[in-house]
Amino acid sequence: RKEVEQDPGPFNVPEGATVAFNCTYSNSASQSFFWYRQDCRKEPKLLMSVYSSGNEDGRFTAQLNRASQYISLLIRDSKLSDSATYLCVVNEVNGGFKTIFGAGTRLFVKA
Amino acid sequence: DTAVSQTPKYLVTQMGNDKSIKCEQNLGHDTMYWYKQDSKKFLKIMFSYNNKELIINETVPNRFSPKSPDKAHLNLHINSLELGDSAVYFCASSQNTWIETQYFGPGTRLLVL
Repeated sequence: RKEVEQDPGPFNVPEGATVAFNCTYSNSASQSFFWYRQDCRKEPKLLMSVYSSGNEDGRFTAQLNRASQYISLLIRDSKLSDSATYLCVVNEVNGGFKTIFGAGTRLFVKA
Repeated sequence: DTAVSQTPKYLVTQMGNDKSIKCEQNLGHDTMYWYKQDSKKFLKIMFSYNNKELIINETVPNRFSPKSPDKAHLNLHINSLELGDSAVYFCASSQNTWIETQYFGPGTRLLVL
């Protein structure tokens, strides 16, 4: 099993749609969780941190489920500018500590 | 002002050559990282330094040698370049530890011919 797994997509959705991504992680000792966004030929940028209590930032909502070891990202009212690759990131402690990126989920929002 | 900068942006070179990539951050962060993103877009951590000390060294060929002259700089030197080294190399930094948000540089696109 991969340390961090995401559905690679692509997800093709119309503008205004709601879309959800999930990410699973294998190490129950993982400490912190993030969603990053990466545009084509650009660097990853932090979208939001993920907490057990869940957090919301405008149209974006992130949730962490420690019992099932997954995190989710919900995007409401999709915009064309949301088209990007969304990377799930897990920081874990396993001997030392390590940052692990998922392979990313590609989203295309169409007019 | 660019928070995390890398030079060069593009690097095309022949197999067997030695090359360096430089990274600087002006955020006052203590921790810096090097990542490699291959053709399948998979981003993998290579090294991490905290206050100039190596704290993460993933399974990377010893042809790759990071150097941190001060906590604002983390350079990557690659000896005897191979075709498989072709990738995008990203530098990143975070405030204190790996738990914090990481800020990435624009990447260095390396092509080995």
